[in-house]
Amino acid sequence: DTEVTQTPKHLVMGMTNKKSLKCEQHMGHRAMYWYKQKAKKPPELMFVYSYEKLSINESVPSRFSPECPNSSLLNLHLHALQPEDSALYLCASSQGRGGSGANVLTFGAGSRLTVL
Amino acid sequence: AQKVTQAQTEISVVEKEDVTLDCVYETRDTTYYLFWYKQPPSGELVFLIRRNSFDEQNEISGRYSWNFQKSTSSFNFTITASQVVDSAVYFCALTRTGGFKTIFGAGTRLFVKA
Repeated sequence: DTEVTQTPKHLVMGMTNKKSLKCEQHMGHRAMYWYKQKAKKPPELMFVYSYEKLSINESVPSRFSPECPNSSLLNLHLHALQPEDSALYLCASSQGRGGSGANVLTFGAGSRLTVL
Repeated sequence: AQKVTQAQTEISVVEKEDVTLDCVYETRDTTYYLFWYKQPPSGELVFLIRRNSFDEQNEISGRYSWNFQKSTSSFNFTITASQVVDSAVYFCALTRTGGFKTIFGAGTRLFVKA
């Protein structure tokens, strides 16, 4: 079983819908990430939370809104998306800076998003 | 700027063949980490190895081995006696020490035929 759990696995939404992707980890990791992956491309970093504070926003459009309610949970709120936003959205976590597992990403299975 | 290049887009081998996946990186940082991740058809990326820039020792784990050469900025990955279950996309990646941003290469898709 994966140690990073993402829900839902599949999501189809219209351009006017509001939906959320959820991610949960119980490994005590203090950094959490959202990546976007298009078909046959590498993952692209979107956001990083470190100790529940937004640390990196890779100039992601505001129609994507991240939230980190606590150290185990990470959400990605979606609103007014475009068809080109259809992709696999991957959540990952890692130990905080300086840990022995620093920078080692543990990924979830992803949420496959289709925007109609 | 940091960059990771995986020149091999797709490789196809027959089971039991050995295969080497190439990775070349660019960075101006003096300390960094290099990684390999595997993404099977199920979609979940799986961590395989992390190598510190100070540690040029090669590593072997079962059928997997990694060759890190700082002089040529390469971190190649060899699978010995490949198996069908090795079929996946393999990503080489680079992170500045203490940083959160992992730079991924384009990936190499490996097909292992029975």
